[in-house]
Amino acid sequence: DAGVIQSPRHEVTEMGQEVTLRCKPISGHDYLFWYRQTMMRGLELLIYFNNNVPIDDSGMPEDRFSAKMPNASFSTLKIQPSEPRDSAVYFCASGFDGYTFGSGTRLTVV
Amino acid sequence: GNSVTQMEGPVTLSEEAFLTINCTYTATGYPSLFWYVQYPGEGLQLLLKATKADDKGSNKGFEATYRKETTSFHLEKGSVQVSDSAVYFCALSGRSDYKLSFGAGTTVTVRA
Repeated sequence: DAGVIQSPRHEVTEMGQEVTLRCKPISGHDYLFWYRQTMMRGLELLIYFNNNVPIDDSGMPEDRFSAKMPNASFSTLKIQPSEPRDSAVYFCASGFDGYTFGSGTRLTVV
Repeated sequence: GNSVTQMEGPVTLSEEAFLTINCTYTATGYPSLFWYVQYPGEGLQLLLKATKADDKGSNKGFEATYRKETTSFHLEKGSVQVSDSAVYFCALSGRSDYKLSFGAGTTVTVRA
C-alpha cells in the first residue's frame, strides 16, 4: 500500500497562472478530502467526495477553485487564476472514521 | 456545529518528561475523536482514535480517553523523547459524513 499520493510536492507559480494539484487515494477508500493548511487559518476542509461524487464543497473559498474526481483512483484540485493568498500546503486524504493523509503539495504563488 | 479546542502551544519539555495536551470538543450526537501528529515537512498521521465514551485510544506510548461527561479527549505520554517533537492535532468527526474538524494544533518540542 503506497498510501495517498500527491503531486507535485512543491509548486511555484506566478500570479494569474493555472495550478493543478493531483491526488491518488488509497484503493478501496470511498471518501476523499481536500484540505488546505496555513499558519493563519490552520487546517480547512475545502471539499470532499464520496464514491467520486462531490458531497460538500462549502469550504471552497472562491469560484477560482474547482475539484474533480473522474474515477475512484484520481482527483484534481485546480486554481485558476492563482493569487498570492492561495499560497499554502494542500493535503489530500482518503478513508473514513480517521483518514490517511498524503504528504501535501506546498504551493507558492508569487 | 462541531468544534475542537486544544491547548495553545508551544510546549517545550525535557526528555523523559510527562506530556499532556488538553482537548475539549463541542458536537451533536456521538462523534469519533482523534489525535493526529504532523512532523516537519510531512502530512498528518493518525496517532490514535476513540469512537465511543470511555474508550481509550493508544499508540506509541500515547494515550487518550474519550470523556463524554467532560467532553474531553486529552493526550498524554508518560516519558517523551526528542523524536516526539511535532505538531499534535485533536479532531472529531460526525457519524454521518466523516468530515474532520481540527483543533488549531499544539507544537511540542522535546529537548535532550
